[in-house]
Amino acid sequence: GENVEQHPSTLSVQEGDSAVIKCTYSDSASNYFPWYKQELGKRPQLIIDIRSNVGEKKDQRIAVTLNKTAKHFSLHITETQPEDSAVYFCAVLTYSGGYNKLIFGAGTRLAVHP
Amino acid sequence: DGGITQSPKYLFRKEGQNVTLSCEQNLNHDAMYWYRQDPGQGLRLIYYSQIVNDFQKGDIAEGYSVSREKKESFPLTVTSAQKNPTAFYLCASSFKEGPQHFGDGTRLSIL
Repeated sequence: GENVEQHPSTLSVQEGDSAVIKCTYSDSASNYFPWYKQELGKRPQLIIDIRSNVGEKKDQRIAVTLNKTAKHFSLHITETQPEDSAVYFCAVLTYSGGYNKLIFGAGTRLAVHP
Repeated sequence: DGGITQSPKYLFRKEGQNVTLSCEQNLNHDAMYWYRQDPGQGLRLIYYSQIVNDFQKGDIAEGYSVSREKKESFPLTVTSAQKNPTAFYLCASSFKEGPQHFGDGTRLSIL
């Protein structure tokens, strides 16, 4: 089955710096890759996603890049702010027995220090 | 998301008791999912359903049961067979190949 690895597990940056989180996956047939942000005690919220027909997508300070050949995708946050502090999860849409489901990475705890 | 409603927000279970967590969506999504999240951990899939009257076990289905009698509703029952039920339970829904949107969750604790 699909395996999703996410690194690093924790990331600490100074306000204004960039943060990069990387995920690798195993199923070359996967074609949809969302990223979620979860603040403490709250639900995960979709922040950006990418499909396999594009290599990069940007939304203000957030971008996602996808390398289908190497089977990895990354979240880039520029000009980080304290409110970016949260846990970030990557996910990969996988197909099995006629059903699709998201496989989530283990999460990255990002701390942005003022 | 405003279109996915989970209730209750907090739930306490006595030993030997079954409890049911509610999840309702008005987004016309075909698929619905239940996840369990333990403190400081990731999301583990319990059950999922892509059409009415059909559902599949996820990675940790033991001790749980679900039903999907209506498109809008996907209740989760935590049975007495689940010996460690204390966790944050999240319901999500999506179109077949779209992003999943989550409810606000239910915190279940043992009395």
